Order: sequence, then structure tokens, then C-alpha cells
Amino acid sequence: QQQVKQSPQSLIVQKGGISIINCAYENTAFDYFPWYQQFPGKGPALLIAIRPDVSEKKEGRFTISFNKSAKQFSLHIMDSQPGDSATYFCAARAGTGRRALTFGSGTRLQVQP
Amino acid sequence: EAQVTQNPRYLITVTGKKLTVTCSQNMNHEYMSWYRQDPGLGLRQIYYSMNVEVTDKGDVPEGYKVSRKEKRNFPLILESPSPNQTSLYFCASSSRQGTDTQYFGPGTRLTVL
Repeated sequence: QQQVKQSPQSLIVQKGGISIINCAYENTAFDYFPWYQQFPGKGPALLIAIRPDVSEKKEGRFTISFNKSAKQFSLHIMDSQPGDSATYFCAARAGTGRRALTFGSGTRLQVQP
Repeated sequence: EAQVTQNPRYLITVTGKKLTVTCSQNMNHEYMSWYRQDPGLGLRQIYYSMNVEVTDKGDVPEGYKVSRKEKRNFPLILESPSPNQTSLYFCASSSRQGTDTQYFGPGTRLTVL
């Protein structure tokens, strides 16, 4: 049972376009929603994160939109660049005890020049 | 340089031959954990440790052991590896104070024949 559902599985975007990746969750106890970026041969690295008390967070070209009532959140990459080509994982965490991140299945983004 | 290191990076072994994957962090983090990454499933937590001598099961602990005798090290032990443990393994660490960011190691690709 996958608690965080991520789509699409893969995405091809032209340079300068907008990349959008969506995630949905069921567990209302989740209170922290990070996005991780993973390049081939590397470990995931935190890209941006949001808490459910805000509906949007922006850092440079990356924006998280959060819809608490729909239990959905999404990553928007503006002005996508070839260097953004990577696998993106959404994740969620409930509380601070175990600190386990529940990950989505990942989206492989390819930005074509 | 602040980092999480894992060794080995690649390992091919046979069923039943005990192996250990080491993990070390130089950030004085209290919290460490192990994840496995499988296609279409994202990352799933195997074991975690809140501090020295404190470990507990994650979501997929069967067939694995861990120990935390020193703050910086958190080895993953497969006492009798099986082919279904063929996967990409990541160690992660974070501080109990401040941000929730988990820092991931570069990964260990394990193949069990």
C-alpha cells in the first residue's frame, strides 16, 4: 500500500518550459512534505520542503503548491533547464519521532535542449 | 566537507554469504537510517537509530540487522542475503535539532545471486 502516490512516472520537457510533478497522500498525520532530487549515481538531496500551514513555497525556480483539503502537493519547475534532468521524489513524514520519510515512486525528468 | 559515506559502493555476492555495508557521517548527527530503493517503489526505510545504542525497525526490516555503537557509524548487516535483497541502499542522517533535512549517502548497489 503506497501512502504517497506520485505522477507522472516520467516527464519530458523542452528547455524553458514548466515541469509539473504531482503527489497525493492519504495519511492526515503527515506534517512535513519534502521534495528530493536525485542524479544518476548519487543519493537523493533535499530540494525544497513545505509544512501544511502554508499553501505555497518558492525557492528560485522551484515552487511547491500544497492543497491540504485535497491532500495533494506538487512541484513546479519554472524555466526548466537541461541541468534539472534528474529523478524527483516527493515524500512525507508524520511527526518527529521515527523521522521516516514515506517516498513517492519517483519521476524521471528529462529536459531537452 | 559534511557528508555521509558508504562502503562498498558496489557489491555482488551469493545467497547466504554474510555481508556488511558501512555508513559513516561527520556531521555529529544523532539520527541515522537505512533505506532501500527499488524501481517503482521509491525509497523504503529499513532501520533507524535515534542515537547511540538506540535502534528500531522501519517499514521493511526483515533480513537485516543494524548496530549503533558509535555516533558516527551505522552499519547494515545482511546475515544471510537472498536474491530479493538485490537493491540500491542508502544511508541517511539528520540532526535532532534544527532542520528536518536528511542527508543521504551516495548509495550501495547490491546484487545477490
